[in-house]
Amino acid sequence: AQSVTQPDIHITVSEGASLELRCNYSYGATPYLFWYVQSPGQGLQLLLKYFSGDTLVQGIKGFEAEFKRSQSSFNLRKPSVHWSDAAEYFCAVGEEYGNKLVFGAGTILRVKS
Amino acid sequence: DAEITQSPRHKITETGRQVTLACHQTWNHNNMFWYRQDLGHGLRLIHYSYGVQDTNKGEVSDGYSVSRSNTEDLPLTLESAASSQTSVYFCASMGLATGELFFGEGSRLTVL
Repeated sequence: AQSVTQPDIHITVSEGASLELRCNYSYGATPYLFWYVQSPGQGLQLLLKYFSGDTLVQGIKGFEAEFKRSQSSFNLRKPSVHWSDAAEYFCAVGEEYGNKLVFGAGTILRVKS
Repeated sequence: DAEITQSPRHKITETGRQVTLACHQTWNHNNMFWYRQDLGHGLRLIHYSYGVQDTNKGEVSDGYSVSRSNTEDLPLTLESAASSQTSVYFCASMGLATGELFFGEGSRLTVL
């Protein structure tokens, strides 16, 4: 069965600093990979996704993620964090296009000024 | 604009009562999902449907049921609510053109 691990429950970064959120998955074939963001009291919004092709994908709000098959990872990055990026971030994996997704436990990002 | 709506947004109920959470989407998506969100667990899949009359159990389906009589709706029923079912519930639908999930705003359920 698929599984997703987000090792960091909480991360605090200073505004303007770079950010990397880690995500590791367990699945034999090439998975469909996603990052979602949830602001307090809100639903989830898609940041970016990887299905195939270029392993570095760009998303909204200046985020990017890199798929590394050898490490079974799909880490999310942003070069300069803004206070409005404070939220909870979820990595998700699907084993077939269009089918159910398995989510990680989430990483809560706090941005300090 | 197409959307996905959940109701009620907040509900308090008592142990043993039956509760139904509604989910309605106007994208005409075949694939719909119910997840629950709990601190430290992220989102866990309860039930899902790939079309009318199709329903499937997710990883935490005990105590829950769904029905799919049309494309737009996937109501989630708690047959006999338990305190362990206190959670935030999210409905989502998936567009096959994009392969991504679109989420509702969530329903916060408290079972006393």
